[in-house]
Amino acid sequence: DAKTTQPPSMDCAEGRAANLPCNHSTISGNEYVYWYRQIHSQGPQYIIHGLKNNETNEMASLIITEDRKSSTLILPHATLRDTAVYYCIARLNFGNEKLTFGTGTRLTIIP
Amino acid sequence: GAVVSQHPSRVICKSGTSVKIECRSLDFQATTMFWYRQFPKQSLMLMATSNEGSKATYEQGVEKDKFLINHASLTLSTLTVTSAHPEDSSFYICSARDGRVNTEAFFGQGTRLTVV
Repeated sequence: DAKTTQPPSMDCAEGRAANLPCNHSTISGNEYVYWYRQIHSQGPQYIIHGLKNNETNEMASLIITEDRKSSTLILPHATLRDTAVYYCIARLNFGNEKLTFGTGTRLTIIP
Repeated sequence: GAVVSQHPSRVICKSGTSVKIECRSLDFQATTMFWYRQFPKQSLMLMATSNEGSKATYEQGVEKDKFLINHASLTLSTLTVTSAHPEDSSFYICSARDGRVNTEAFFGQGTRLTVV
């Protein structure tokens, strides 16, 4: 799996958009970008994933640069419940391909 | 998303005893299950990968005779921590995926193990 780099921590005001960056400059052509988050003392929660097109679901949007070397996860209207550690992972999308977690970004939503 | 149930959520055991943790996929068939361990203020560390009906593949540095993994069906995997010691105290998390349809992996809620 390609290595990903994320800032260790970020703050965002409640109600504003939270933009979480991720660098994956060594990503290969068939590796997807996955985002998970982990709220304190819980298992990780899947958020979104994409290959090269931008993706949106009910939780977030994923913007992937054209060269695929970086991406941004956007939480459009952050709430206090979005406070968590967010993990960006590059991986192949088949079979028993494992998810390897880095250190992630600790996002704190400020009231 | 799909539901993965992990049991128990918390367990305290005496040093030298064994503890079994169950991981069930409730609404899908998990061809592959992953077991992770997480120490305080650290990220998840993959311990092993198991495919239904096959022996688990352990990550480097993880003792397979201490952490016994069974994945006998498409909906159940178990992790048994044998002869537990205080240093085995950690947060253990399972993840399940149906590799036949290339879906994302879903995680259980984790098990907090404390060895006293």
